[in-house]
Amino acid sequence: QKEVEQDPGPLSVPEGAIVSLNCTYSNSAFQYFMWYRQYSRKGPELLMYTYSSGNKEDGRFTAQVDKSSKYISLFIRDSQPSDSATYLCAMSRYGNNRLAFGKGNQVVVIP
Amino acid sequence: ETGVTQSPTHLIKTRGQQVTLRCSSQSGHNTVSWYQQALGQGPQFIFQYYREEENGRGNFPPRFSGLQFPNYSSELNVNALELDDSALYLCASSLVASGGSYNEQFFGPGTRLTVL
Repeated sequence: QKEVEQDPGPLSVPEGAIVSLNCTYSNSAFQYFMWYRQYSRKGPELLMYTYSSGNKEDGRFTAQVDKSSKYISLFIRDSQPSDSATYLCAMSRYGNNRLAFGKGNQVVVIP
Repeated sequence: ETGVTQSPTHLIKTRGQQVTLRCSSQSGHNTVSWYQQALGQGPQFIFQYYREEENGRGNFPPRFSGLQFPNYSSELNVNALELDDSALYLCASSLVASGGSYNEQFFGPGTRLTVL
């Protein structure tokens, strides 16, 4: 079983729709949970970071962490064509800078 | 403040050759991590350097090695290249202070390596 599972299926949504992405994980030691956005031919850039369980909102983006279920989510409201990218979930343990990534979801927002 | 830079952008090598990839950390950062991202996959942790010492390694063979220099720039060396080494190689820098708090990693654009 991989540490982080992210269904890599591509997502195609119309502009203005809500995009819902999620990951599951097996390592209960993970404490930091991140979502990265990666445009084609670019390195990942951090979108959201959450410590332990809870919700975090930043503009159109909401990240949720449920440690009891080992499940994290990212919601993008009012999606824009500029949101078209690959979204990667990532996690790390307290005191350990190593990131464990999911496979990523390619999101296409159609104008 | 300059971001993380990597060179070269693209590289083509043949099986059995050796390659060196370079990374320049973001100003003020003391830690660099290297990741391998195969096509359609998420990045996989190779190793991390903190103040010029290896500080953690992922599930990669010894033919993957690295260096971090006093100016915190870094190199990734891969010997005896295999076809499966074809991937995007990413470096990420961060400022790690004492304690276990979260440290954001800033990624460079990557070097795309093709092994023929």
